[in-house]
Amino acid sequence: DTAVSQTPKYLVTQMGNDKSIKCEQNLGHDTMYWYKQDSKKFLKIMFSYNNKELIINETVPNRFSPKSPDKAHLNLHINSLELGDSAVYFCASSRGQTSNTGELFFGEGSRLTVL
Amino acid sequence: GNSVTQMEGPVTLSEEAFLTINCTYTATGYPSLFWYVQYPGEGLQLLLKATKADDKGSNKGFEATYRKETTSFHLEKGSVQVSDSAVYFCALKEGGSEKLVFGKGTKLTVNP
Repeated sequence: DTAVSQTPKYLVTQMGNDKSIKCEQNLGHDTMYWYKQDSKKFLKIMFSYNNKELIINETVPNRFSPKSPDKAHLNLHINSLELGDSAVYFCASSRGQTSNTGELFFGEGSRLTVL
Repeated sequence: GNSVTQMEGPVTLSEEAFLTINCTYTATGYPSLFWYVQYPGEGLQLLLKATKADDKGSNKGFEATYRKETTSFHLEKGSVQVSDSAVYFCALKEGGSEKLVFGKGTKLTVNP
């Protein structure tokens, strides 16, 4: 059983389109994250939710909108895709705020290519 | 703000060579420190961690010691294997924050 699973794994789309990436974790964790990894492997946090509540919102264009229907799911919707959005997007989860040791469990990533 | 600086890669070694990947940090408080590893085509996974000064984290033959006086957390392994080829990320987490701040990653290639 995959602990943190993301779909799709690969996504190729045209500029201006809208796309979504889905994430699910079966670890019973309270906190979920979206990270963006650029072509140089630099990893930057975008959002974090704790029990469906947004707790981290970095400086990200408002074309990016996360949605957490329940604590096991955190989806990422991107409007009006731009070339610079091409990256690998990683979902991750961790235990809740009161017991967060800093260990994150990552999905395998979703590689987005915008043409 | 908090930040992590890692040595620039890529690093290429022969099997059984000694590995050091340098990592220094800037933080306002007393963070926990981590090394994560990303194997090709996979997500990151925790390699080791240390939560206070002078703690040593270790796993799979890798070690790193939390040095508060030099604000460092260098990763070492005495004898690398081809299977250690991966990208290694140093990271920190301040107490009370949910945010894990990563360094830029160091790609290691080990040749037979």
